[in-house]
Amino acid sequence: EPEVTQTPSHQVTQMGQEVILRCVPISNHLYFYWYRQILGQKVEFLVSFYNNEISEKSEIFDDQFSVERPDGSNFTLKIRSTKLEDSAMYFCASSESEGPERAFFGQGTRLTVV
Amino acid sequence: RKEVEQDPGPFNVPEGATVAFNCTYSNSASQSFFWYRQDCRKEPKLLMSVYSSGNEDGRFTAQLNRASQYISLLIRDSKLSDSATYLCVADSSYKLIFGSGTRLLVRP
Repeated sequence: EPEVTQTPSHQVTQMGQEVILRCVPISNHLYFYWYRQILGQKVEFLVSFYNNEISEKSEIFDDQFSVERPDGSNFTLKIRSTKLEDSAMYFCASSESEGPERAFFGQGTRLTVV
Repeated sequence: RKEVEQDPGPFNVPEGATVAFNCTYSNSASQSFFWYRQDCRKEPKLLMSVYSSGNEDGRFTAQLNRASQYISLLIRDSKLSDSATYLCVADSSYKLIFGSGTRLLVRP
């Protein structure tokens, strides 16, 4: 079964540093998403992306965050200056058609900001 | 008020038991609803969609009551492998709104 792949599985970074989380969506999928889950809390929507632009973003997705599809296969989430509270599991998802219920989730990247 | 609200549990049941989870949602504009399963430190995986007419998939039955804004999941004949966190999810403008999850522990 095709799957969404995320790298790295775990990233440790110092506060204030920039991080880039990488995702390879399923190849024929057109809609891409980032969600995050702080330990012990619920999964929260960050951003959706279609046709090389952001479709929707949440209040969490402030100016410190950006997304990019640099080469037609990768989908990245960049956090410019990490804060302690950015520590969380970040999940990438992709779907073939509009409608997030058809989205497949990657296994996640655990980000730890120290 | 939380957009999607669930009892966090844990529900601790013996193998073979029937267990029911409930969930309420606040956005009456939500059109689609789902149950996801999440194992510890893993990604959420779609368990089933939820329809007003009710739908069944093997041992799992989901029900939606739009008038009460209430969603349920029934698991019959629980297996040890059913131990996980069950996430109630509503669609809102093509993004998923997750509840905090209900933890299920099935004991031998």
